[in-house]
Amino acid sequence: AQSVTQPDIHITVSEGASLELRCNYSYGATPYLFWYVQSPGQGLQLLLKYFSGDTLVQGIKGFEAEFKRSQSSFNLRKPSVHWSDAAEYFCAVTYNTNAGKSTFGDGTTLTVKP
Amino acid sequence: GAVVSQHPSRVICKSGTSVKIECRSLDFQATTMFWYRQFPKKSLMLMATSNEGSKATYEQGVEKDKFLINHASLTLSTLTVTSAHPEDSSFYICSVAGGPNEQFFGPGTRLTVL
Repeated sequence: AQSVTQPDIHITVSEGASLELRCNYSYGATPYLFWYVQSPGQGLQLLLKYFSGDTLVQGIKGFEAEFKRSQSSFNLRKPSVHWSDAAEYFCAVTYNTNAGKSTFGDGTTLTVKP
Repeated sequence: GAVVSQHPSRVICKSGTSVKIECRSLDFQATTMFWYRQFPKKSLMLMATSNEGSKATYEQGVEKDKFLINHASLTLSTLTVTSAHPEDSSFYICSVAGGPNEQFFGPGTRLTVL
């Protein structure tokens, strides 16, 4: 069965520092990978997605992610974090073989120190 | 992407009553929608796949008689929580299946059962 692992439950960074959130997926087929952000009490906002092609994808709000097939990873990065980036971040994977259903990681809570 | 709305955004009800949550696709013909449940500080759990004009497909462990899903048109799917109990209190999120293996999420509905 497909699964997504976000190893870091909670990450704290200082404002202006760089950020990397980890995501690993398991399954043999070609994945469609997503990163979403969720503020408290809100729905999910898509940050970026990877379907094919260039393995480094750019998203909104200055985020980027790199797909590494050899490591089954799709880590999210941002060079300089802003206080407004504090939120919950979810990595998700979908496969062609699964009728479009997404499997989500458990999420990483990002706290930004002033 | 598709614009998805949910109504109500927040609902409080008494134990034993039924609550209906609407999910609307405002600018996209939604053949398939998904319903998720999210517990506090937890990830999204897929409850069911809603297909326009046919019965919903429920995930293992989800009571189909408790969580009634109707997808009568290409723009509207409803989730009715029947005979709600406090343990049904949660954040319910719907999504619309968009492009290849992509979903567009609604803002969520906070259900509190007293």
